[in-house]
Amino acid sequence: GAVVSQHPSWVICKSGTSVKIECRSLDFQATTMFWYRQFPKQSLMLMATSNEGSKATYEQGVEKDKFLINHASLTLSTLTVTSAHPEDSSFYICSARNRVSYEQYFGPGTRLTVT
Amino acid sequence: AQSVTQLGSHVSVSEGALVLLRCNYSSSVPPYLFWYVQYPNQGLQLLLKYTSAATLVKGINGFEAEFKKSETSFHLTKPSAHMSDAAEYFCAVSATNAGKSTFGDGTTLTVKP
Repeated sequence: GAVVSQHPSWVICKSGTSVKIECRSLDFQATTMFWYRQFPKQSLMLMATSNEGSKATYEQGVEKDKFLINHASLTLSTLTVTSAHPEDSSFYICSARNRVSYEQYFGPGTRLTVT
Repeated sequence: AQSVTQLGSHVSVSEGALVLLRCNYSSSVPPYLFWYVQYPNQGLQLLLKYTSAATLVKGINGFEAEFKKSETSFHLTKPSAHMSDAAEYFCAVSATNAGKSTFGDGTTLTVKP
C-alpha cells in the first residue's frame, strides 16, 4: 500500500534554532503535499499546500518566512521551522497526493518540542 | 467555504455496542467527505470517504457512513464496538477528492470492557 514517511518522528530543539522536517512518499509520486499542524487534543489545521517545482501556497495567518516549505522532487517535501519558539511546539503532519490515483495519504507525524 | 461540526467531543460505549459518531458539514459545492482515525502519537488513517457515488459508504474495520444531503450529515457507525476502536476520529470535508481538507474538532471514542 501507499506509504508516507516523516523524519524525524520526534525532535526537541532550543528556542531560536531551526528544524527541518521531511515528508516522503515511499512508493508513489506526489505532485502535491499538504502540511498540517495539530495542537494537543485539537484538530488538524492546514498550514500550506506544497507543489512540486513551485512555491507553496500558505493558508491565511501562516507566516511563510517562518515555515519554509520546499518540494524539490516528486517524493519529498520539507518543512523548516525557522527561529523556533516554544509556541511552535506542536504535532506536524504531512499528507501526499498520488499523482496518478489522486488518493491522499497521511504521514505518521512529527512531534516538535521547542525548549 | 467549507466547515465540519462533530457533535460530541467524547463518546463512550461498551464493547459490543453500537458506535455512532456524528458529523455535519457545510459546503458551497458538492462535498467530498472523509472519516479518519488517529491513534495516539500517530498520523491519520482513512476509514472511508464519500465521493458522490453511493450514499452509504463502507469502510475498513467494519465502519460505514451514510451521506444525507437533506440533513447535511455524514455520521459514522459501527454495529459492534471493539476495544481496538478506541481512538480519535476526525470528519473532514473537501471540495475535491484529494484537495485540501477542512477537519472537524474530532471525537474521542472510548470503549469500555
